[in-house]
Amino acid sequence: GQQLNQSPQSMFIQEGEDVSMNCTSSSIFNTWLWYKQEPGEGPVLLIALYKAGELTSNGRLTAQFGITRKDSFLNISASIPSDVGIYFCAGGLSSGTASKLTFGTGTRLQVTL
Amino acid sequence: GAVVSQHPSRVICKSGTSVKIECRSLDFQATTMFWYRQFPKQSLMLMATSNEGSKATYEQGVEKDKFLINHASLTLSTLTVTSAHPEDSSFYICSARDRVDGYTFGSGTRLTVV
Repeated sequence: GQQLNQSPQSMFIQEGEDVSMNCTSSSIFNTWLWYKQEPGEGPVLLIALYKAGELTSNGRLTAQFGITRKDSFLNISASIPSDVGIYFCAGGLSSGTASKLTFGTGTRLQVTL
Repeated sequence: GAVVSQHPSRVICKSGTSVKIECRSLDFQATTMFWYRQFPKQSLMLMATSNEGSKATYEQGVEKDKFLINHASLTLSTLTVTSAHPEDSSFYICSARDRVDGYTFGSGTRLTVV
């Protein structure tokens, strides 16, 4: 199946540093979502974006829906050890409940003290 | 917020047997649920879309006779892995969409076929 290109693939950063990751697609989406997954768990929603150009924050997290509707980025400011995990972007095509998501390849984040 | 419960969290079965995984929306009704498979260090790959009261829609390459999906009520979808083989060992995750929180995921089921 299709996957979205997500970069970087992995990151090793020090506590307190800012993090930036992005997701690109060859096709248009009208919903972009960012999830965090920890080992042995399902993904947990961080931020949802529903409009091109939209910039949304959730605490130390900020995400933007690209103007072209083919990309999105996620920033994490002042990282802390509990930010460790795998971050996935996901694109959706409609607002209907039957609309399926396409996931990115994931960014593995490690935070050192 | 919306909660999706998935059971069991872990299961080990013998090759050739069948395993059923349940996915329940606890505080909302879900006419549509989704089943994903995730191999180690990889992303989530959609297997099928489960529709309440009708047949599931399978993604290309997913065997519908091997991965049986039943969505008999607005709060329950089940995935049965039939005649399981070691290559079916994976992390299976379900999700459902509610109108407030978007797509909510279950906590996943780790299937190991020995």
